[in-house]
Amino acid sequence: EDQVTQSPEALRLQEGESSSLNCSYTVSGLRGLFWYRQDPGKGPEFLFTLYSAGEEKEKERLKATLTKKESFLHITAPKPEDSATYLCAVRGSNSGYALNFGKGTSLLVTP
Amino acid sequence: ETGVTQTPRHLVMGMTNKKSLKCEQHLGHNAMYWYKQSAKKPLELMFVYNFKEQTENNSVPSRFSPECPNSSHLFLHLHTLQPEDSALYLCASSHSGASYEQYFGPGTRLTVT
Repeated sequence: EDQVTQSPEALRLQEGESSSLNCSYTVSGLRGLFWYRQDPGKGPEFLFTLYSAGEEKEKERLKATLTKKESFLHITAPKPEDSATYLCAVRGSNSGYALNFGKGTSLLVTP
Repeated sequence: ETGVTQTPRHLVMGMTNKKSLKCEQHLGHNAMYWYKQSAKKPLELMFVYNFKEQTENNSVPSRFSPECPNSSHLFLHLHTLQPEDSALYLCASSHSGASYEQYFGPGTRLTVT
């Protein structure tokens, strides 16, 4: 069975203080690892898809990386508007169309 | 309208009521999904439709009944719900094919009293 564990559960950063969020996963035949951002009371917003170990993708202050066991979401010089819950999800070869989500990391960036 | 829209955004219903949630996608996708998001829990997949055909039902109680009349519209019919069914119900869509990312709507916040 696919499993996704995100850490930490919550993270508080000062504006400009870079850090990383972790997503550890076990999956049978990775078909994709997905990062989403979710603001309170809203639906998740798609950020990145990673398909194979060694792959990296960037968008503004965010950079996602992937190994065979985990993915990191690096946040460089965060701003208060980066505050949100960041969700990681995987799809395995036995998952059909299902995405298996972690519980998320709640990020708060203070001025 | 762009992206994925959901109505209503908020719904309060009694345990004996019948109500329906509506989802519409404007992205030209062929797969649509219902998810449930409860506090402190990961998103739970409920149903998947691909080209209007239900392909996955994740052991969801029969008090939840999905309907997909075409690739752009998805409904979730609700009846005799329980208080533990209170949650954020999210609709998503994607291109057909397991490697594609899913795009989510804003959700319907459901409260069962």
